[in-house]
Amino acid sequence: KQEVTQIPAALSVPEGENLVLNCSFTDSAIYNLQWFRQDPGKGLTSLLLIQSSQREQTSGRLNASLDKSSGRSTLYIAASQPGDSATYLCAVRPGANNLFFGTGTRLTVIP
Amino acid sequence: DAGVTQSPTHLIKTRGQQVTLRCSPKSGHDTVSWYQQALGQGPQFIFQYYEEEERQRGNFPDRFSGHQFPNYSSELNVNALLLGDSALYLCASSLETGSNEQFFGPGTRLTVL
Repeated sequence: KQEVTQIPAALSVPEGENLVLNCSFTDSAIYNLQWFRQDPGKGLTSLLLIQSSQREQTSGRLNASLDKSSGRSTLYIAASQPGDSATYLCAVRPGANNLFFGTGTRLTVIP
Repeated sequence: DAGVTQSPTHLIKTRGQQVTLRCSPKSGHDTVSWYQQALGQGPQFIFQYYEEEERQRGNFPDRFSGHQFPNYSSELNVNALLLGDSALYLCASSLETGSNEQFFGPGTRLTVL
């Protein structure tokens, strides 16, 4: 059974710092991996999607990498801002259908 | 271009009642998935609808059922509500062809008293 783990569960950093969020999954047979952002009590905003054949994707200050063989992905956020404060969720797709989610990393960026 | 919409935003029910939640997919999308997110947890997959049929189902009891309409919108029904059904219910839409990237709605907060 696919399990997704995100470490750390919570993270506080001063504004301007670069940071890395980690995601690991137990079954490397995935179709793709998606990173999401969730503000308190709100829905999920898709940040980046990496297909299984890709190694990384970039969008603005965000960079996500995927090492499928080792079951790991990282989300790198450059020059963090208070507006980046949210919970970041990693999800893997084992087939063409549903997503398996981690429990998220709650990020606080201190002004 | 409207994204995924869900209604209602909030809902309060009592144990044993039944509830219906609604979802309209992003324009051009044909596949709808439903997820349950308990407080402090990641979303858990309930089921997915494509071409008006339930295509895949997660580990949820038969009290959870759904429907997809010809315009691709979808409903989630939960019967005989339990306190443990209190959660944020998220709808996601995607396009069967292409990357299958899922786009989520704002969710419906269900509270069961």
